[in-house]
Parts: sequence; C-alpha cells; structure tokens
Amino acid sequence: QQQVKQSPQSLIVQKGGISIINCAYENTAFDYFPWYQQFPGKGPALLIAIRPDVSEKKEGRFTISFNKSAKQFSLHIMDSQPGDSATYFCAPNSGNTPLVFGKGTRLSVIA
Amino acid sequence: ETGVTQTPRHLVMGMTNKKSLKCEQHLGHNAMYWYKQSAKKPLELMFVYNFKEQTENNSVPSRFSPECPNSSHLFLHLHTLQPEDSALYLCASSPRSGGPEKLFFGSGTQLSVL
Repeated sequence: QQQVKQSPQSLIVQKGGISIINCAYENTAFDYFPWYQQFPGKGPALLIAIRPDVSEKKEGRFTISFNKSAKQFSLHIMDSQPGDSATYFCAPNSGNTPLVFGKGTRLSVIA
Repeated sequence: ETGVTQTPRHLVMGMTNKKSLKCEQHLGHNAMYWYKQSAKKPLELMFVYNFKEQTENNSVPSRFSPECPNSSHLFLHLHTLQPEDSALYLCASSPRSGGPEKLFFGSGTQLSVL
C-alpha cells in the first residue's frame, strides 16, 4: 500500500482558533487529495478535496493547501467550532486505485 | 443520510458463530467497498466490487467472505472469527471503483467477537 503519514494524531484547539492537520505522501502519481471527516457513530464523509493543478482551495471555513514539491497537503479550519470536533482523515489517491486513508487526527475544539 | 444503509448497527458474536453484515446503497453507484476500522489502525480496505465483480481482495482472511448479488447490495459473511476481528466494519459506494471518486460511507456495524 502507498504510504500516507498524517499528523498530528490528536489536536486540541480553542474555539475560534485555527486547526491545522497535515498529510505527507510518497506516491507522486497521486492526483486527488481529499479530506474526510468522521463523527462518532458515523462513517467518514468527504469534507473537501483538491486536484494538483491548484495550490489552495477554500470552502467556507475549510481550506486545503497543497505543496506538490514537498508531497504534502494540509487542512486548515478557520474559526474552529465545537461542532468541528471529529476525526479527520486524508486519503490521497490516483486513478484506478481505491482510497488509502491516513491514520486520522482526532480534533477537539474546546470553548 | 448518505444513501448507504448498513445493518445491523451493532453485533456481538461468539467465535464459533456465523453471521452476516448487510449493506444497501440507493445512489445508483456501481462500486461497493468493505473497510475495517480498528481503534489504533487506519481504515483498512478489505474488498472492492465493481459492477458486481470483485476487483480487489486486500489479503483478507477467508473467515471473511463477501458477496455482491447486485450493484446495490453487499454482504460480508462472517464465520469462526477471532477477538482481534472486533472492529467497526464500514461499507461504502462510489460511481465506479478507483479514484478520484467521492466515497459515500454507511454508519458501519460495530462488531464485537467474544
């Protein structure tokens, strides 16, 4: 399996702060870089994804930053809210290969 | 609601039991997947079906037996499991197998093997 390293394992952020989660990969053939969000008792759900032709994508409070040369991409959550408390997974992928997930980051946003 | 329904939500079974997990998707997708989620491991891909044909078996022990009678239904038959098989089993679907595709997950079956 392609190696995917996600960090940190857990993260505690104050309400209103910025949460940053990183994902490093090895396979240069990856061409799709999604983040999934999982709440307790639920399956993961796609949150936001980026293609390698852009370096950044923003959707509301969520931003993906992509660094092709460093083979890394990150998720930034601005103005973090308690409702953002969940586990986040990166899952870089290339065509014709099923998604391989990172180990996950457990985010806790405290008031 | 993601359009992917898994039953049962919880299952407790002995090591000698035989049970089945069921997954149904109402999204018109052609690919279905089984993933295993353990407490301290990443999501592990187990099986992939594309147009009812198994296209990937990720070195899963034979005590797990998948079945895909049509593109909307997926089963995971379990027999003589081990305690270390206790985990959350997630079903997912996508328009076709392989990426880049958005996966739609069910809520999973929490399995405990005694």
